[in-house]
Formats: sequence, C-alpha cells, structure tokens
Amino acid sequence: DAKTTQPTSMDCAEGRAANLPCNHSTISGNEYVYWYRQIHSQGPQYIIHGLKNNETNEMASLIITEDRKSSTLILPHATLRDTAVYYCIVTISSGSARQLTFGSGTQLTVLP
Amino acid sequence: GAVVSQHPSRVICKSGTSVKIECRSLDFQATTMFWYRQFPKQSLMLMATSNEGSKATYEQGVEKDKFLINHASLTLSTLTVTSAHPEDSSFYICSAVQGAQTHGYTFGSGTRLTVV
Repeated sequence: DAKTTQPTSMDCAEGRAANLPCNHSTISGNEYVYWYRQIHSQGPQYIIHGLKNNETNEMASLIITEDRKSSTLILPHATLRDTAVYYCIVTISSGSARQLTFGSGTQLTVLP
Repeated sequence: GAVVSQHPSRVICKSGTSVKIECRSLDFQATTMFWYRQFPKQSLMLMATSNEGSKATYEQGVEKDKFLINHASLTLSTLTVTSAHPEDSSFYICSAVQGAQTHGYTFGSGTRLTVV
C-alpha cells in the first residue's frame, strides 16, 4: 500500500469548512484513497473513498488531484463533534480482504 | 448500515488473569475480522487477521500464544488476552469485513483493557 503523509494537527472554526490534506505521491493505478476518522476512545468510522473522481456524500467531499498524488477531505460545515483524528489510507479494494494500515493521521480540533 | 458490536467496552483485570473480548457483526456475515491495538497517543496497529473457520494470521511481534483469536462463526470473533500483564493495557479494536471490499470495513467501538 502506498505511504501517506498528513499534517499532525489542524484547527478549524465551528461552522467553517475544514480542509484536510493528504499526500500519496507513490499511489498506484489500482489504489483507492480512503478516509476514516476516530473520535477519542472510539473505533474508527468510515467517511468516504475515491479512485480518480471527486466524491461527495452526506459526511464530506473528497477532492483528488488529477495526478492522484494528493487529496483533500472537506468537511463543509465543521461542528464540535467533528473533532477527531482523521486518517487518510491508500489501498486496493478488490480481491481478498486486506487490512487497513493506519498512519499517524491529522488531529482536527474544531473550535467554538 | 453494517454494525459491529464489541464487548466489553472497558475491563480491569488483575495481572496474570485472562480476559476475553468479543466482536460481533450484527447484521452481516463477516468472512474476515481484524484485531488492532492502540496505545495512548499512538495510531492503530494491526495485531492479527482472522478468517472464519481457519487459524488467525498474526503480525510480526505479536505472540499468538498470548493473544488467542477464535473466529468460529461468520458473526463472532473473540480475542483472549492470556496471563495479562500491565504492559498489555491498551485499547483493543476489532474490524469486520463484509466480502472483500475495503469500504465494507466496519469497526467496533473498542475495548479499554487495564491490567493492574
């Protein structure tokens, strides 16, 4: 699986958009970009994933650059409950089930 | 959506005793379950992968005789920490997969183990 690089921490004002970057310059053609988050003392929660195209769901939007070497997770209107560690994971999504390899993630703190 | 129930949420045990943690997929059949461990202020580290009906595959450095994993059915996997020591105190998290799709991964809420 390709290695990812994320900032250690970020702050965001409540109600504003939170933009979380992730670099994955060694991503290969069949690897997807996944985002999970972990609220303190809970299990990780799936947010969104994508291959090439930008994706949006009820939780967030995922913007992937054309060369696929980086991506940005966007929480359009951050709330205090969005304070969590956000993990960007790159892995293939076919064949036998593969474990997710978690990096250090980004601690997002939403400020009132 | 898919729900994974993990029990207990927290447990305190005496050094030398064993503790069993259960991970259940409530509304789907999980062919594969993963067990992770997370120490304070660190990321999740994979301990082992279990497939229903077969022996678990352990990551390097994880003692299979200490961390016993059983995946006897498509909805239940258990992790038993045997002869627990204070250094085993950690947050243990399971993940269940429906099929082979990575976006089908659902995580349990975790178990906080404290060994005194």
